Amino acid sequence: EVQLVESGGGLVQPGGSLRLSCAASGFTFSSYSMMWVRQAPGKGLEWVSYITGSGDTIYYADSVKGRFTISRDNAKNSLYLQMNSLRAEDTATYYCTKCLPMVRALDSWGQGTLVTVSS
Amino acid sequence: EIVLTQSPGTLSLSPGERATLSCRASQSVSSSYLAWYQQKPGQAPRLLIYGASTRATGIPDRFSGSGSGTDFILTISRLEAEDFAVYYCQQYSSSPPFTFGPGTRVDIK
Repeated sequence: EVQLVESGGGLVQPGGSLRLSCAASGFTFSSYSMMWVRQAPGKGLEWVSYITGSGDTIYYADSVKGRFTISRDNAKNSLYLQMNSLRAEDTATYYCTKCLPMVRALDSWGQGTLVTVSS
Repeated sequence: EIVLTQSPGTLSLSPGERATLSCRASQSVSSSYLAWYQQKPGQAPRLLIYGASTRATGIPDRFSGSGSGTDFILTISRLEAEDFAVYYCQQYSSSPPFTFGPGTRVDIK
């Protein structure tokens, strides 16, 4: 059974940093592309970042480019999102998601971790 | 950037009725790289359909997807109690961003 478990969320002041982690299990982690997707309270879904299984291709939404960094450690079956220069508008639940093979549709989602940016 | 528009914003129906949800793209979505997700309150989204018309594993056959180019439809043939939720479309064409639509809420009439 595929499991994605996020951690690292919390309350941070504007301008601060957080690192989200996602522990993956139940599948061959290195073979799958992954994404981070976020959802502000009461709002819709927003794609944040994408990384291929090998880590050689990475994309970011314009709203986070230059501030967020996605990475993965295939030996540890873990996905990360380093978030710097955080803003109030980054407040959201962040979901770790797994892509289908050869397709960027998201077939598995974690339970999400809440990031609140506030003074 | 491909912008997705979903309509209606809210659909009020009774159990057993047919639901038809629309997702329109601002430009053609290549190779039907279009997915549909269902989200219930307090839960993570769940993949229903990918490739515009392929049901994901374990999804009941009352859910079906159709369309190509810029116009896509999610149909729920006979609504069951557990289908009342918010539905999002997403395009995942070759170039980012991989945008989501704003969602359609299906609630009980």
